[in-house]
Amino acid sequence: AQKITQTQPGMFVQEKEAVTLDCTYDTSDQSYGLFWYKQPSSGEMIFLIYQGSYDEQNATEGRYSLNFQKARKSANLVISASQLGDSAMYFCAMRENQGGSEKLVFGKGTKLTVNP
Amino acid sequence: SAVISQKPSRDICQRGTSLTIQCQVDSQVTMMFWYRQQPGQSLTLIATANQGSEATYESGFVIDKFPISRPNLTFSTLTVSNMSPEDSSIYLCSVDAGDRGWTDTQYFGPGTRLTVL
Repeated sequence: AQKITQTQPGMFVQEKEAVTLDCTYDTSDQSYGLFWYKQPSSGEMIFLIYQGSYDEQNATEGRYSLNFQKARKSANLVISASQLGDSAMYFCAMRENQGGSEKLVFGKGTKLTVNP
Repeated sequence: SAVISQKPSRDICQRGTSLTIQCQVDSQVTMMFWYRQQPGQSLTLIATANQGSEATYESGFVIDKFPISRPNLTFSTLTVSNMSPEDSSIYLCSVDAGDRGWTDTQYFGPGTRLTVL
């Protein structure tokens, strides 16, 4: 069963507008972490934001915020004031403990295109 | 944060040959991870490398195909052995380097883009 689901293969947004990228997850662990990464065409994976399962507040990092709804098992990324440089693939990932080792499991990604 | 470098950044190789990818971190880290990203796909964990012990491989990946070294706390290598075109991927090195504890941030190197002919 897929553990991280990103239902939007592609998203379009106008420059300066906000956009929400969806992510739902599946885990039976009580302690886990959720990550968002940006991957431009160059291929590097850029860490954007992290949310711990026990964090009371939604994580924010500059223009990025994570809308964490634990009961719904969703961890959507909100990008405010989109910029042309935000065009990239975005991956949601979950850290979980499997067999005593921690590992990241990634979703399939969402391709964001910011239009001028 | 951690600064991670990888060598080579890209390579084109002939089938049947092997390529060793290096990963260097600017600080000491306990765990280093190697991922593969096949064209148009997401990332898949190959193995976890801890210094002083053998790497732990994920299902579908074996040591004979992807031998890993971890000689110290800042360096690791991944070898892709006896390559075939199906090995054409981006290979990424990653480390835990949290500011609030080791679980809150995982950084990636720039990746090695491998093409096998």
